Amino acid sequence: GAVVSQHPSRVICKSGTSVKIECRSLDFQATTMFWYRQFPKQSLMLMATSNEGSKATYEQGVEKDKFLINHASLTLSTLTVTSAHPEDSSFYICSASIREEQFFGPGTRLTVL
Amino acid sequence: ELKVEQNPLFLSMQEGKNYTIYCNYSTTSDRLYWYRQDPGKSLESLFVLLSNGAVKQEGRLMASLDTKARLSTLHITAAVHDLSATYFCAVDAGTSYGKLTFGQGTILTVHP
Repeated sequence: GAVVSQHPSRVICKSGTSVKIECRSLDFQATTMFWYRQFPKQSLMLMATSNEGSKATYEQGVEKDKFLINHASLTLSTLTVTSAHPEDSSFYICSASIREEQFFGPGTRLTVL
Repeated sequence: ELKVEQNPLFLSMQEGKNYTIYCNYSTTSDRLYWYRQDPGKSLESLFVLLSNGAVKQEGRLMASLDTKARLSTLHITAAVHDLSATYFCAVDAGTSYGKLTFGQGTILTVHP
């Protein structure tokens, strides 16, 4: 099946710094990718839809200036958490679809100290 | 706003027993997904249900979809310890594929 990768798998940063997370579709092209966030012991919540060559679409309550999304190629979307704070600590998971099939990345665990 | 509700949220089962997890959703959709998540890991796809009456089985798990009732079930037969995990249902109600709304998750623990 299709594979979605994420990098890094784990990152620890200091409060106030920015962190970039990459999501790649390894063997298929994805004009659209999705970014989810999962807090401990909670479900996944969609943060934004990343559109290749155009602006991302953010879900209600997600600050677009804090969570910068760039989808510059058909195989790569990046999520940058700017001025991270401890409350941004979470598990970030991206996905891409091939028609009705969804393929999830392995996730990135962000810890902000 | 689409709401997806699972029950139960916690399920403690004995090995060998059967049980069902329910997933209700609030708007019309015929795209329903079931996932498994192990601690610290991402999602593993279990089933993709794309039409009313769809039924799929894999090993000890069977999933079904009733779009008229807006209900999906995940049935566990003769549970074994390896099935212990968190199970999520998710609904795709968008005009294009991929934008999922997840249920709260069901934490399943199978014990001897």
